Amino acid sequence: QVQLQASGPRLVRPSQTLSLRCTVSGGSINTGSYYWHWIRQTAEEGLEWIGRVYRRGSTDYNPALQSRVTMSIDASENTFSLRLASLTAADTAVYYCARAAAAGPRRRAFDYWGQGIQVTVSS
Amino acid sequence: EIVLTQTPLSLSVTPGQPASISCKSSQSLLHTDGNTYLYWYLQKPGQSPQLLIYGVSSRFSGVPDRFSGSGSGTDFTLTISRVEAEDVGVYYCMQGIHLPPFTFGPGTKVDIK
Repeated sequence: QVQLQASGPRLVRPSQTLSLRCTVSGGSINTGSYYWHWIRQTAEEGLEWIGRVYRRGSTDYNPALQSRVTMSIDASENTFSLRLASLTAADTAVYYCARAAAAGPRRRAFDYWGQGIQVTVSS
Repeated sequence: EIVLTQTPLSLSVTPGQPASISCKSSQSLLHTDGNTYLYWYLQKPGQSPQLLIYGVSSRFSGVPDRFSGSGSGTDFTLTISRVEAEDVGVYYCMQGIHLPPFTFGPGTKVDIK
């Protein structure tokens, strides 16, 4: 059974950079079968897709966040990461990591999600 | 960016009764590859969203058959044939055709009368 676990700081100062990591267990991240995603949720904006990373490090980002987002993958540790720069209070959210198939009938469906991590941006 | 609209935004249902949620897209979700990239998720209280339906009408592993999805093009529906207490939560539709970005609907909150 695949499991995803997000980790990182719960409180970050405005203007700083948020760094989150998602640890994947129960399966290898170094497979061409899946993309690895970050999604966030706020009461005001609902669910917002942040971006995705593929096994060789290729990425796609939400245009609304693209200038501030960097994602990477570490196959040796079976993890993938999110960095979000120039934080403001509007970045306060629950951040989820998730997996989606790259091909086949479940292509692009987020079939496994991490538990979510509440991040607050405040001084 | 594709905008998804859900109706209703909240729904109170008697156990055993059916429930339907509509999701309308600002653009067709039918891809040139013949697939329609429309998904449904349920977020139970205090939990992460979980996949219910992919490709408009295919149930994910372990999803009860009282859940069904239908529709085409820009109009889609999630139907629960007989609502149970464990079905409470917020239901979201999502599109995965015009990327980036993936986009979600605003959610429909379902509770039990």
